[in-house]
Amino acid sequence: QLVLTQSPSASASLGASVKLTCTLSSGHSSYAIAWHQQQPEKGPRYLMKLNSDGSHSKGDGIPDRFSGSSSGAERYLTISSLQSEDEADYYCQTWGTGGVFGGGTKLTVL
Amino acid sequence: EVQLVESGGGLVQPGGSLRLSCAASGFSFNNFEMNWVRQAPGKGLEWLSYISSSGTAIYYADSVKGRFTISRDNARNSLYLQMNTLRAEDTAVYYCARSYQYSSGANYFDYWGQGTLVTVSS
Repeated sequence: QLVLTQSPSASASLGASVKLTCTLSSGHSSYAIAWHQQQPEKGPRYLMKLNSDGSHSKGDGIPDRFSGSSSGAERYLTISSLQSEDEADYYCQTWGTGGVFGGGTKLTVL
Repeated sequence: EVQLVESGGGLVQPGGSLRLSCAASGFSFNNFEMNWVRQAPGKGLEWLSYISSSGTAIYYADSVKGRFTISRDNARNSLYLQMNTLRAEDTAVYYCARSYQYSSGANYFDYWGQGTLVTVSS
């Protein structure tokens, strides 16, 4: 069964960097994912599609501070130079017999 | 600019029906696959349904199969979700999302609407 696993929470200081992780279930390590950001009280926003080789394509207007990388079944979202507006929920998403979402990571900017 | 605007949410009694709409603009609607995704209060995102650009391929999550129907009108640049036999657990914000389908058949959501709230309660 295709499952995406995310840590429920993460925190980092203003101006620092943070790396969020999305783990694909066994047997699905070749799958690409997408990262989405959801700021409080807003709809989600597409950040990027991230392939198994670490190549990624970002959505319109996504700052260079957001980058993606991959290792095995793990897909990462790195946010550098953290800003207050980066405090949000971050979801990974892939596709099996339909859409599949991770449980989301709530990022707190200290 | 790509825009997706949902409408049609509201308060409905258990067992009732509701039809959501999503008005699309800023892109060639008839060239893109579309989806409905929902988010229950305080919870994560749940994919519900997909419809291909032509409307010929449709998929549903098990949680709504047989109760919800997705459709689209390419002439009106609109996506719809007919929701029947609604339950309290269907209470959520409902989002429409455009997806880009790769050659593998996988879809990734690249634009989202702002959502419309559906509350199922007596």
